[in-house]
Amino acid sequence: EAGVVQSPRYKIIEKKQPVAFWCNPISGHNTLYWYLQNLGQGPELLIRYENEEAVDDSQLPKDRFSAERLKGVDSTLKIQPAELGDSAVYLCASSSLGGGYNEQFFGPGTRLTVL
Amino acid sequence: AQSVTQLGSHVSVSEGALVLLRCNYSSSVPPYLFWYVQYPNQGLQLLLKYTSAATLVKGINGFEAEFKKSETSFHLTKPSAHMSDAAEYFCAVSDYKLIFGTGTRLQVFP
Repeated sequence: EAGVVQSPRYKIIEKKQPVAFWCNPISGHNTLYWYLQNLGQGPELLIRYENEEAVDDSQLPKDRFSAERLKGVDSTLKIQPAELGDSAVYLCASSSLGGGYNEQFFGPGTRLTVL
Repeated sequence: AQSVTQLGSHVSVSEGALVLLRCNYSSSVPPYLFWYVQYPNQGLQLLLKYTSAATLVKGINGFEAEFKKSETSFHLTKPSAHMSDAAEYFCAVSDYKLIFGTGTRLQVFP
């Protein structure tokens, strides 16, 4: 069984440029998460999807961040424009159900560097 | 609000020694607790989880953790460290989303 796939693995951009990250969850997983991991910190949730619906986006900075999961499968996270402080690892995770006891499976992440 | 605190950002042990990584939680309801491991440039992998079925939870790679309600703790242990255990370890509590601690970097010396 294939795991969570993310691309690109690494991205270097200049500030004020746009950037997009792509995630393909494990087949059949209805719940998809985007986490932000700053250096030396644990991941923090940005947004959670149940199928196509964003059920928790309270931590997503909506002035510059956006996300979509149009067909309830893969998802894209976008930043426009990027700022220096956005340099971090962006992790995607999925689970078969959205309950708190369910294991979340993580992708390898996209490491973003903003110059 | 739920939270976890990991005591010790760095832990160093010799190969073959006991590994003990500390985690304390705060929750107003019975918590779901997790330990994840992260190897360099990789995503997080589940080691074990507590969902109230048993207080002593066994995970992968010889790790286990004991849920102690009276101490609000969920410490991770392994009787004998291996070089391959060197990684970052995260404790987390779940409220539909995972709320992670700041992590503990484990170093294993030969």
